Amino acid sequence: GAVVSQHPSWVICKSGTSVKIECRSLDFQATTMFWYRQFPKQSLMLMATSNEGSKATYEQGVEKDKFLINHASLTLSTLTVTSAHPEDSSFYICSARDGEVSPLHFGNGTRLTVT
Amino acid sequence: RKEVEQDPGPFNVPEGATVAFNCTYSNSASQSFFWYRQDCRKEPKLLMSVYSSGNEDGRFTAQLNRASQYISLLIRDSKLSDSATYLCVVTLLDSGSARQLTFGSGTQLTVLP
Repeated sequence: GAVVSQHPSWVICKSGTSVKIECRSLDFQATTMFWYRQFPKQSLMLMATSNEGSKATYEQGVEKDKFLINHASLTLSTLTVTSAHPEDSSFYICSARDGEVSPLHFGNGTRLTVT
Repeated sequence: RKEVEQDPGPFNVPEGATVAFNCTYSNSASQSFFWYRQDCRKEPKLLMSVYSSGNEDGRFTAQLNRASQYISLLIRDSKLSDSATYLCVVTLLDSGSARQLTFGSGTQLTVLP
């Protein structure tokens, strides 16, 4: 089945630094990928939709200058958390699908801790 | 009203019990429906798609009621390993929108020995 690989699985960084998270579709092409954030005991919250070859579409309340998304190819999207702060500590998950009505396939998530 | 609503639970059931979850959606134009399970501190994993005619996969049965706008998941003979959060996902085909995929907040299930 479709596989989405996300890297790194966990990262600890100091406040003020930037962190890049990669999301790759391994055996299918994804023109659209999705980035989510999940705080403890809460549901997934869609942050943005990443579109290959064009700008990402951000959800209301998500700062596009803080969460930079680049969808460089049909198999790779990256999320960069710029100038990270402790409140950005969360579980970040990407997902992709290989068709309009296909189910989502999730990356294994990245647990970010900002100290 | 939320676009997709689930009873958050928690549902605590004994091993071997049958348990059912519902998920209601507000947009009648919604077209695809899925159930995912998410274990603590892990990513969601697809459990099953939900088809109009209803579908079954082993101990799991999913049903769609378009008239009442809800989907359901039934788990029979529950196992300890079924303990997880179950998320429903509703898809609306709207190519220009970032909101075409909507998650419920999840229902937490704990199966007790």
